[in-house]
Amino acid sequence: DQQVKQNSPSLSVQEGRISILNCDYTNSMFDYFLWYKKYPAEGPTFLISISSIKDKNEDGRFTVFLNKSAKHLSLHIVPSQPGDSAVYFCAATTGNQFYFGTGTSLTVIP
Amino acid sequence: DSGVTQTPKHLITATGQRVTLRCSPRSGDLSVYWYQQSLDQGLQFLIQYYNGEERAKGNILERFSAQQFPDLHSELNLSSLELGDSALYFCASSVLEGAGYGYTFGSGTRLTVV
Repeated sequence: DQQVKQNSPSLSVQEGRISILNCDYTNSMFDYFLWYKKYPAEGPTFLISISSIKDKNEDGRFTVFLNKSAKHLSLHIVPSQPGDSAVYFCAATTGNQFYFGTGTSLTVIP
Repeated sequence: DSGVTQTPKHLITATGQRVTLRCSPRSGDLSVYWYQQSLDQGLQFLIQYYNGEERAKGNILERFSAQQFPDLHSELNLSSLELGDSALYFCASSVLEGAGYGYTFGSGTRLTVV
C-alpha cells in the first residue's frame, strides 16, 4: 500500500525555468512532509520540509507547497540549474514512521 | 561524507546465503533506520532502533533481522537470500526518535544476489 505517491517518474526542464515536482499522499495523519534529493551512488540528502500546519515553506530556490484538502505536496525549484539534476523523493512522517514516494528523476537541460 | 557510514558498499552473494550489513550513525545520533530501495519501488522502511531498542518495524521479512549495539552502530542481517533481495540498502540516523526535519542517510550498500 503506497501511502505516498509520485506519479511522474521523470521530468525534463530547461535551465533557468521552473521545475515542479508533485507528490500525493493518502494518510491524513501525516504531520511532516519532506523532500530528499539523491544523486547516483549516494544516499538521499534532506532538502526541505514542511509541517502539516503550514501551506508553504521556502528555502532559497526551493519552495514546498502543501494542499491538505487535496492531499498534495509540490516542490518548486526556481530557477532550475543543471546541478539540480537528480532523483527527488518526497516523504511523509507520522510518529516514527517515514513513508517515501518512488521518486522523480529531474533532468535540467543546459 | 554525510557522517553515516555503511559497509560494505557492494556485496555479491549467492542465493541461500546470509550477509550482514553494517551502519555507523552520525556522531550523537541515537536513532538508526534501515531502508531497502529496489528497482521498481521507492524507499521501503524496514526497521528502526533508538538507543539500542527496536522502535518501529516496517515491511521487514522474517528472514531479515537487525540490532543496534551499545556503541550505537547497527547491523542488518539478511539470510536465506533470494534473487529478489537484490537492492540498495540504506541506513539513516537521527538524534531523536521521530524527526520532522529529516535525517541523514548513508551512501548505501548495493546487494546483488546471484
